[in-house]
Amino acid sequence: ILNVEQSPQSLHVQEGDSTNFTCSFPSSNFYALHWYRWETAKSPEALFVMTLNGDEKKKGRISATLNTKEGYSYLYIKGSQPEDSATYLCASPRGSSNTGKLIFGQGTTLQVKP
Amino acid sequence: ETGVTQTPRHLVMGMTNKKSLKCEQHLGHNAMYWYKQSAKKPLELMFVYNFKEQTENNSVPSRFSPECPNSSHLFLHLHTLQPEDSALYLCASSQDPQRGGPETQYFGPGTRLLVL
Repeated sequence: ILNVEQSPQSLHVQEGDSTNFTCSFPSSNFYALHWYRWETAKSPEALFVMTLNGDEKKKGRISATLNTKEGYSYLYIKGSQPEDSATYLCASPRGSSNTGKLIFGQGTTLQVKP
Repeated sequence: ETGVTQTPRHLVMGMTNKKSLKCEQHLGHNAMYWYKQSAKKPLELMFVYNFKEQTENNSVPSRFSPECPNSSHLFLHLHTLQPEDSALYLCASSQDPQRGGPETQYFGPGTRLLVL
């Protein structure tokens, strides 16, 4: 069974702070790692899809790194803003190929205070 | 707007009722998914359809019955549900996941279901 774990479960930061959180996944049979942002009452929004060890992706003030050998990915937010408040989810496909059968972590809920 | 719509957004039903959730995608995708999120739990995959064929049933009880009449529409028929089935039900779509390369899934906003 593939377990995807995220930490911390929740995070409260002040506007302007930089923050990061972790997604852990089994390193064997790795295929891809997805990051999503989910704002309350909205649809989860895709941020990144990562496949290569050492990969780093960036979207504005948000970036993510991937370590497939040790089974973790970090998501960084630089200079947090109130609009960054959301739950951040990571997910990995079950199996070593792309089956579309994503296993999600529980998410990290970020609250940015003005 | 992700291009995936779900109706209704909220639903309250009794345990003897029959209701259906509807999902529609306007992205030209071939794969569609149902997920469930119960309180304090991760998003959990329920069903996967690819080119209208069911490719995954994640041990979902038969009181949940999916239907995919075409690649743009996905339904979840509900009957004789239990209170513990109260949850947020999300639909998603993607390109064919077997065509090579990881495919991003695009989600609808979900249906909040309460079973009394």
